[in-house]
Amino acid sequence: AQSVSQHNHHVILSEAASLELGCNYSYGGTVNLFWYVQYPGQHLQLLLKYFSGDPLVKGIKGFEAEFIKSKFSFNLRKPSVQWSDTAEYFCAVNAQSGGSYIPTFGRGTSLIVHP
Amino acid sequence: EPEVTQTPSHQVTQMGQEVILRCVPISNHLYFYWYRQILGQKVEFLVSFYNNEISEKSEIFDDQFSVERPDGSNFTLKIRSTKLEDSAMYFCASSEIWTSPTGDTQYFGPGTRLTVL
Repeated sequence: AQSVSQHNHHVILSEAASLELGCNYSYGGTVNLFWYVQYPGQHLQLLLKYFSGDPLVKGIKGFEAEFIKSKFSFNLRKPSVQWSDTAEYFCAVNAQSGGSYIPTFGRGTSLIVHP
Repeated sequence: EPEVTQTPSHQVTQMGQEVILRCVPISNHLYFYWYRQILGQKVEFLVSFYNNEISEKSEIFDDQFSVERPDGSNFTLKIRSTKLEDSAMYFCASSEIWTSPTGDTQYFGPGTRLTVL
């Protein structure tokens, strides 16, 4: 079965710092990759997704992620974080199992940005 | 913008009782999902539902769980006899298409926090 690892459980940054959140998955077949964000008191929202094509994916709010197939990674980046980026970030993988796709989430990374 | 809604936002129940968690997916979506997140742990897939039947289910989704689409708008998760370890946040999600190779985007509801005493 596939699994998703998010290495950073808690990240604390100051505003304007650069961000990189790690995500690795274990599955050798076709995968679709997602990053979701959950702001305090709100529901999960899609930040960006990768299905095929350019491995560098740009999402909302200045976030981007790079799919590196050889490393089974899909790290999330933002060059300059803001206080409003304080949230929980989840990496997710849809991996094919038979004729369907099974979604698997990572444990999440809690990001706190100090003003 | 259309949203997935869930009710109630918080449910407290006694161990052994049945609970029904309700979700209203986005109206033109065809695929529906339930996930749970135990406090401090990852979001876990429970089940997906399409065309009035279960498409996929995880090992967590045992005989005490069931899902139903009783009418054209609601999608419910029933837990027959709750256990302490069922305490979690339960998220509903919906998507337009799923079995395409692209695995379409899921839109999540705000969640129902279930507390089993």
